[in-house]
Amino acid sequence: AQSVTQLDSQVPVFEEAPVELRCNYSSSVSVYLFWYVQYPNQGLQLLLKYLSGSTLVKGINGFEAEFNKSQTSFHLRKPSVHISDTAEYFCAPDTDKLIFGTGTRLQVFP
Amino acid sequence: GAGVSQSPSNKVTEKGKDVELRCDPISGHTALYWYRQSLGQGLEFLIYFQGNSAPDKSGLPSDRFSAERTGGSVSTLTIQRTQQEDSAVYLCASSLERAPYNEQFFGPGTRLTVL
Repeated sequence: AQSVTQLDSQVPVFEEAPVELRCNYSSSVSVYLFWYVQYPNQGLQLLLKYLSGSTLVKGINGFEAEFNKSQTSFHLRKPSVHISDTAEYFCAPDTDKLIFGTGTRLQVFP
Repeated sequence: GAGVSQSPSNKVTEKGKDVELRCDPISGHTALYWYRQSLGQGLEFLIYFQGNSAPDKSGLPSDRFSAERTGGSVSTLTIQRTQQEDSAVYLCASSLERAPYNEQFFGPGTRLTVL
């Protein structure tokens, strides 16, 4: 069975600083990987996904993630965060249901 | 068109009572999913429907939980004899077909509080 580990439960960062939210997965088969975001008092929405092809995936709001098969990682990055990026971020690998990570709360301070 | 809707948005009930949570998926979406989001515990898969059938019920935490889907559209999640540990936000999502090839669109959730 596949599982995912989000190594940081909370990431505080100042506005305009870069950020990386870490996600490691375990799988013995080919993977599809997703990042979802949940803004305060809103539902989850897709940030980006990796299905195949280029290992660098670009998503909405300036986020990107890199699929690294050798390190079984799919870390999410943004070079300069904004206050509005404050949210909960979930990593989720493949299959016909999403096995979500425990989430990383990104808190952006002015 | 309209997104996934869920009702009620909030439900407060007493321990031992039954509750029904409703999900209206996006029109034309054949796949429907229920998840539970508990405080400090992330998201937990409950059940998945393809059309009206549920090929995967593995996430239902106990036999007090059941779900059905009629007409390939609306789904109802029923919790019988609610317990305090059932308190959580219950999320519904739908997709055109089975994920992972298709993005799941989530509803706003139903916040269930069991007193």
